[in-house]
Amino acid sequence: SQQGEEDPQALSIQEGENATMNCSYKTSINNLQWYRQNSGRGLVHLILIRSNEREKHSGRLRVTLDTSKKSSSLLITASRAADTASYFCATDERSSNTGKLIFGQGTTLQVKP
Amino acid sequence: GAVVSQHPSWVICKSGTSVKIECRSLDFQATTMFWYRQFPKQSLMLMATSNEGSKATYEQGVEKDKFLINHASLTLSTLTVTSAHPEDSSFYICSAPTWGFQETQYFGPGTRLLVL
Repeated sequence: SQQGEEDPQALSIQEGENATMNCSYKTSINNLQWYRQNSGRGLVHLILIRSNEREKHSGRLRVTLDTSKKSSSLLITASRAADTASYFCATDERSSNTGKLIFGQGTTLQVKP
Repeated sequence: GAVVSQHPSWVICKSGTSVKIECRSLDFQATTMFWYRQFPKQSLMLMATSNEGSKATYEQGVEKDKFLINHASLTLSTLTVTSAHPEDSSFYICSAPTWGFQETQYFGPGTRLLVL
């Protein structure tokens, strides 16, 4: 069953603005990952943050992880029209250690040029 | 980076027929692969874990006799949707981890199935 919840479900911003998406999960995890999916396409891995990390950067992406609150955020700075896509967080359950990922419901981001 | 391919990319079939979808890891070996299903405007739902050389592990609510999984080699897993019905129409995506479960997984481009 899905354990992740993301908010907002949809976000519309102007090019150049920052976009922040949040993700919450329910169980203890090994790591949390963020993926992007363009309409009708496969997933593109963006960033992985381990349970012992609190913040991670990759280019215009900044991810935070708060294991005490079981939540994570993805910040995209200086957004571009090409960032328009759906963004999903995914976690793996530490207890199962099978590698299978549980995905959040996703945030649909629209960046207007 | 690691590449995972799927074939076909899309398929249209008549109700009652079976459809086979292939998932290949192109430049690495994968003893485990995962199959997900995604309905329009929804998230990915894990269907099953494909294990090379052994039986697949299915998630609760997924019929193993309807969704047959075969992981015949270290680079190929197949998902067969048997006796497909319109409600099976969906986007099917596979993934494979490269260096173990602590690392990232690479996803295939997906297969869109439409059952008429």
